[in-house]
Amino acid sequence: EPEVTQTPSHQVTQMGQEVILRCVPISNHLYFYWYRQILGQKVEFLVSFYNNEISEKSEIFDDQFSVERPDGSNFTLKIRSTKLEDSAMYFCASRERDGYYEQYFGPGTRLTVT
Amino acid sequence: AQSVTQPDIHITVSEGASLELRCNYSYGATPYLFWYVQSPGQGLQLLLKYFSGDTLVQGIKGFEAEFKRSQSSFNLRKPSVHWSDAAEYFCAVGSNFGNEKLTFGTGTRLTIIP
Repeated sequence: EPEVTQTPSHQVTQMGQEVILRCVPISNHLYFYWYRQILGQKVEFLVSFYNNEISEKSEIFDDQFSVERPDGSNFTLKIRSTKLEDSAMYFCASRERDGYYEQYFGPGTRLTVT
Repeated sequence: AQSVTQPDIHITVSEGASLELRCNYSYGATPYLFWYVQSPGQGLQLLLKYFSGDTLVQGIKGFEAEFKRSQSSFNLRKPSVHWSDAAEYFCAVGSNFGNEKLTFGTGTRLTIIP
């Protein structure tokens, strides 16, 4: 069964550094998402992406964050200058199309900012 | 704004006992409802979903959920739990409109005792 993949599984970075989290959505899916989950808390929406542009973003997704689909397969989340509070599990998800289709989640990337 | 409430932060049940996890939602249109399960350090696995039609939906691992519009609820049930069901369970609401995000509840942690 097709699945969403994410790399790396764990990233440790120093405060102020840039990080790029990578995702490969399911190949025929059209909608892409990033969510994050701070340890012990609920999963929160960050951003959705469709037709090569951001469709919606949350308050969390400030100017330090950006997303890109650089080619036909990858979907990346960049944090320009990491802060301690960016430490979280980041999940990528994709969805095939409108209608009765669910979002499929990747295994997540655990980001630790020191 | 859409929201999901999971009133039980932590539930403990004996192996073999029945289980019901509560979920209440607030959503302005016809909701799509989901239950996801997360084992420690793992990603989100879809247990079941409700889009329309029969209000009692069956999922994987012997789980079922019932959509009750009048109560704005989507409770998850299992007649007999197994030790491997110990995990965090998240209820989520979304829609079928394009790229709309999922909104998650805060989760219920399920502990199974022998």
